[in-house]
Amino acid sequence: QSVLTQPPSASGTPGQRVTISCSGSSSNIGSNTVNWYQQLPGTAPKLLIYSNNQRPSGVPDRFSGSKSGTSASLAISGLQSEDEADYYCATWDDSLNGYWVFGGGTTLTVL
Amino acid sequence: QLQLQESGPGLVKPSETLSLTCTVSGGSISSSTYYWGWIRQPPGKGLEWIGSMYYSGSTYYNPSLKSRVTISVDTSKNQFSLKLSSVTAADTAVYYCARRGTAEDAFDIWGQGTMVTVSS
Repeated sequence: QSVLTQPPSASGTPGQRVTISCSGSSSNIGSNTVNWYQQLPGTAPKLLIYSNNQRPSGVPDRFSGSKSGTSASLAISGLQSEDEADYYCATWDDSLNGYWVFGGGTTLTVL
Repeated sequence: QLQLQESGPGLVKPSETLSLTCTVSGGSISSSTYYWGWIRQPPGKGLEWIGSMYYSGSTYYNPSLKSRVTISVDTSKNQFSLKLSSVTAADTAVYYCARRGTAEDAFDIWGQGTMVTVSS
């Protein structure tokens, strides 16, 4: 069981807008910023969003993040076939002297 | 461009110690603006943070693994290492090393990962 809860799967057709949720608690999302990672099949995770809504250099602006209370969301607009991947949210949890926690991951399928 | 590369045995026997090294190239591990960490991913499952360290040697670990984990640094070789003791089949996973920037507070650069199987 992951500390952060994500839906196991999501899907959309090319051009659509898809959102992926990440639910936590007051000790993690409620107190700290959220990062999102994209993992293409057979590759290492790649940082997609940091500090709730900031994109690293090179990440298309089709990807956006938001946070409200103890939940966060990743939105992908203008869905493309190459967006088919696993997506993970992550944040710091203040309990037990602190540690990094990840969501269980969401597999995005482009239909 | 900074790159990370994991290395170590791909097969470890149950009850033994898993040892991996991450070599940092294209930049210094002694930078004050970064932490260095290990994250693993069991086959078909999600990501789990193992622990992180600062170049000065300070470390912090996942509470669920703390009793079995040691992360250390060798600044002269620009490397940091992971040791996980008393391994079981549940420790079978792809192990990634990664850099965390203090500004972004996120793991922004990852190694390609190395598969470690625990089996007799």
